[in-house]
Amino acid sequence: DAMVIQNPRYQVTQFGKPVTLSCSQTLNHNVMYWYQQKSSQAPKLLFHYYDKDFNNEADTPDNFQSRRPNTSFCFLDIRSPGLGDAAMYLCGTGQGGSYEQYFGPGTRLTVT
Amino acid sequence: AQRVTQPEKLLSVFKGAPVELKCNYSYSGSPELFWYVQYSRQRLQLLLRHISRESIKGFTADLNKGETSFHLKKPFAQEEDSAMYYCALISGSARQLTFGSGTQLTVLP
Repeated sequence: DAMVIQNPRYQVTQFGKPVTLSCSQTLNHNVMYWYQQKSSQAPKLLFHYYDKDFNNEADTPDNFQSRRPNTSFCFLDIRSPGLGDAAMYLCGTGQGGSYEQYFGPGTRLTVT
Repeated sequence: AQRVTQPEKLLSVFKGAPVELKCNYSYSGSPELFWYVQYSRQRLQLLLRHISRESIKGFTADLNKGETSFHLKKPFAQEEDSAMYYCALISGSARQLTFGSGTQLTVLP
């Protein structure tokens, strides 16, 4: 089945230790999104890639970076995780101009 | 800036009772609104969008621009409707979503 895959599902990292979360898709969508969802809060868009064009939300901290080496893969890099970065991270995909987004199962990040 | 508000974090109803999940929005342009649902241990998925005006799994939602609302309704709730429901607004060329904080619906037997 075409889908959005996130690895790992659970990630534990230490305070200040860089961590990378992975997202891949078989839908061949040209837009990929990263959302951060803290407990009992709305998913919040961090940034997205429209094809190769990176678009950062204005309030996304510099500590968060992203890479998209090809259409299928997108990575979220947290350079120096703080305790406040513990959250569920959702990857979504969409086809430009279309309304529906498809989501992965999320990666739950714990920072110790 | 756009904003989506879901005033109820938790909502419980009995099976067969009507259910309404509230959503209000603020947006300067012409809004496109959606309801997404997340069942237990499943991923977030689209339930319905206002443009289609269709009923999905018995749910409907009407956009009321005067009240800036997009409430989700179902006349007879089922236990399998228990889930987290997110109201969302789309904007931008990349169709970015702004989500509300969600309502956890529990349908009691």
